[in-house]
Amino acid sequence: GDSVTQMEGPVTLSEEAFLTINCTYTATGYPSLFWYVQYPGEGLQLLLKATKADDKGSNKGFEATYRKETTSFHLEKGSVQVSDSAVYFCALSKNGGNQFYFGTGTSLTVIP
Amino acid sequence: EAGVTQSPTHLIKTRGQQATLRCSPISGHTSVYWYQQALGLGLQFLLWYDEGEERNRGNFPPRFSGRQFPNYSSELNVNALELEDSALYLCASSLGGGSYEQYFGPGTRLTVT
Repeated sequence: GDSVTQMEGPVTLSEEAFLTINCTYTATGYPSLFWYVQYPGEGLQLLLKATKADDKGSNKGFEATYRKETTSFHLEKGSVQVSDSAVYFCALSKNGGNQFYFGTGTSLTVIP
Repeated sequence: EAGVTQSPTHLIKTRGQQATLRCSPISGHTSVYWYQQALGLGLQFLLWYDEGEERNRGNFPPRFSGRQFPNYSSELNVNALELEDSALYLCASSLGGGSYEQYFGPGTRLTVT
């Protein structure tokens, strides 16, 4: 069945370090891919998205490219800040939102 | 613009009881989704309502049920509570009709003792 697999955490980085959180997916057809972020005590917020192969989603310095050949959608940021500390979820959607699958989440802590 | 709201924030029940969780979507959104976020398991899709109808259901037993009201708000009911139902329950809304983006509420923390 369709699914999303993302790297397990927790991840701890120093401020200004480079961030990569890996995400791979299994899906038939042409899913849309998303990264959501959950700050402590809050609900999930959409961080970025890509709806077709080779699309790059970007927001707040974060980027992810939809790679169909490797079925991946890795999240990257060149220089993380303490305020980026949160849990990050990779997700896919198919059939106009009829099916939505989330990864298990990756906890990121950025230390000064 | 007000976001997705959920009530109550916390709910404590004993095994065998029933729990009712409520969600109000963003104004103009017709679709409501329910997810269970149990510790270490990520988000598990529960239910999707659109225009008052149940459109899709995740792999959960029938004691998880819900409904959507004419104003598009929604209710999730969990009957015969079990200890493993303890989790954060998240509601999300979207424009519906094939919209991909979901907007999440802060969640209801259900604890079953």
